[in-house]
Amino acid sequence: QVQLVQSGGEVKEPGASVKVSCKAAGYTFPKNAIGWVRQAPGQGLEWMGWISTYNGNTNYVQKFQGRVTMTTDTSTSTAYMELRSLRSDDTALYYCSRGYSASRRNGGNPWDVFDIWGQGTMVTVSS
Amino acid sequence: EIVMTQSPLSLPVTPGEPASISCRSSQSLLFTNGYNYLDWYLQRAGQPPQLLIYLGSRRASGVSDRFSGSGSGTDFTLKISRVEAEDVGVYYCLQTLQTPLTFGGGTRVEIK
Repeated sequence: QVQLVQSGGEVKEPGASVKVSCKAAGYTFPKNAIGWVRQAPGQGLEWMGWISTYNGNTNYVQKFQGRVTMTTDTSTSTAYMELRSLRSDDTALYYCSRGYSASRRNGGNPWDVFDIWGQGTMVTVSS
Repeated sequence: EIVMTQSPLSLPVTPGEPASISCRSSQSLLFTNGYNYLDWYLQRAGQPPQLLIYLGSRRASGVSDRFSGSGSGTDFTLKISRVEAEDVGVYYCLQTLQTPLTFGGGTRVEIK
């Protein structure tokens, strides 16, 4: 069964870091991408960035540049998203998703479909 | 950054009746290869998003044929031919033409 299983919820103090894991199963991990999306309580979806599981290339949303690092471990088919210098407004449900190219285009964003999603990891930032 | 605007914000629907949601982008999502880089997702309460439609009009695997996507350029529509109770949730469009990828604000579909 194709699935992404995320790590459990975290409670962090402001200024701390959090590292969320996303373990893939049921498909060939190093052929796609993993995208990260967050959702603050009662709010909409916010794109954070993606990492290619093939070559490790990353693309981060500018607002997270310098605070976020996305990595992968192909030996365990696991992707990670680390967010540093946490603030209260980072309190959110964090999702990973599998990205792939359905159109195989040249140029622009290479991942045009995000089809499988993890169950989400709640990160609470509070003193 | 491409701005995605959905309407309406909320959509009360009657079971068995059709429904449609609009998504507009601040730039054309039509690439030179003829594809529109626009996906639709449904997020049911307490669940992660579920892919419904990708590349503007392609239905994802396992998705009911009651769902269809149409449009090109900057104007897109998700249609539900006959609403069922399980269709309740928040619908989001997502542009994947260029980074940063951006979501619409969401449309909440509820049963009247």
